[in-house]
Amino acid sequence: SAVISQKPSRDICQRGTSLTIQCQVDSQVTMMFWYRQQPGQSLTLIATANQGSEATYESGFVIDKFPISRPNLTFSTLTVSNMSPEDSSIYLCSVGIAYEQYFGPGTRLTVT
Amino acid sequence: KQEVTQIPAALSVPEGENLVLNCSFTDSAIYNLQWFRQDPGKGLTSLLLIQSSQREQTSGRLNASLDKSSGRSTLYIAASQPGDSATYLCAVSSGGGADGLTFGKGTHLIIQP
Repeated sequence: SAVISQKPSRDICQRGTSLTIQCQVDSQVTMMFWYRQQPGQSLTLIATANQGSEATYESGFVIDKFPISRPNLTFSTLTVSNMSPEDSSIYLCSVGIAYEQYFGPGTRLTVT
Repeated sequence: KQEVTQIPAALSVPEGENLVLNCSFTDSAIYNLQWFRQDPGKGLTSLLLIQSSQREQTSGRLNASLDKSSGRSTLYIAASQPGDSATYLCAVSSGGGADGLTFGKGTHLIIQP
């Protein structure tokens, strides 16, 4: 298993600004994933982040809006850029270990 | 495109009852299926992982079954307790550890004391 932490745990941001979410894992992992959970909805995969390569984005998500960094095997960041109220969601990172995925506690973002 | 559906969306039962949560998926070409629990303000806790070659997995009072050919999984909770109250999520993987998961919308479960 893995212990995953995220910062911040929650934030309230103004429209048009950007927020960077950090994800830290207690062990080295190859695969990291970022998900979004909009109010009342299921989790949706935003992108897959491998260390040393560009992130792979799912349909409907673009790098300009959600830039991702993966500088090493224990850390990743997701930036939500030029935010609008529709970006209000919980953002979660996860890691894949032995075919199983483990999730961080999430970042609750509210955009006003 | 894989789609995952969970029924019921919400369930409220008295403590002590046995219950079944249902999950269905449209593309049977899955690598594995995971059941998670989500508590308010917290992340997801992995409950059970079933590989595509397996039929079921058990952990304590939880039992998950998988019928890959029909695209169905069930999560059985025995002797439910108020602490079981949470949202239960079903998710499928098509590529093992290399791909992200496709989630259902979840079943919101309330166990009445």
